[in-house]
Amino acid sequence: GAVVSQHPSWVICKSGTSVKIECRSLDFQATTMFWYRQFPKQSLMLMATSNEGSKATYEQGVEKDKFLINHASLTLSTLTVTSAHPEDSSFYICSARGGDGTNYGYTFGSGTRLTVV
Amino acid sequence: AQRVTQPEKLLSVFKGAPVELKCNYSYSGSPELFWYVQYSRQRLQLLLRHISRESIKGFTADLNKGETSFHLKKPFAQEEDSAMYYCALNGFQKLVFGTGTRLLVSP
Repeated sequence: GAVVSQHPSWVICKSGTSVKIECRSLDFQATTMFWYRQFPKQSLMLMATSNEGSKATYEQGVEKDKFLINHASLTLSTLTVTSAHPEDSSFYICSARGGDGTNYGYTFGSGTRLTVV
Repeated sequence: AQRVTQPEKLLSVFKGAPVELKCNYSYSGSPELFWYVQYSRQRLQLLLRHISRESIKGFTADLNKGETSFHLKKPFAQEEDSAMYYCALNGFQKLVFGTGTRLLVSP
């Protein structure tokens, strides 16, 4: 079945530094990838939608300059948290959807726990 | 706009009892609804989608457009069903989640 690999699974960084999270579709081409943020004991909040080769579409309230998304190929999307602060600490999850118009399935990565100290 | 509401944060039942996790949605178009499950320390995984009309692990969910609901049901809960359950709606080319319901099945 469809597999999405997300890396790293956890990262600790200092305030002010940037962190890059990768999301790869391993056995299918993902025309669209999604980035979510999940706070402890809360639901997944959609941050942005990225389409291969075009700019990401950000949800209301999400700072695009803070959370840079690049979807350079059909199998890779990256989320870079720039100038991270402790309030950016969270669980980030990516999801990918294939290009097959008949498949509406979304496959999720295992998530990345970011801790900013 | 699309919105998914799961009114219960926690549902606690005994093994063998029936379970119903509620989900209501708001969407102007024709909805496509899913149930996802997240077991402890595991990634989110698809449980059901309404277009399949299938039963997975004994769970079923019926889309009721009149009541704008997609409740998840199981006649006899098992301890291994304990997990977080999220209802999600695919609309406007993105998947939006409800706040989730934690199901706790006690022996």
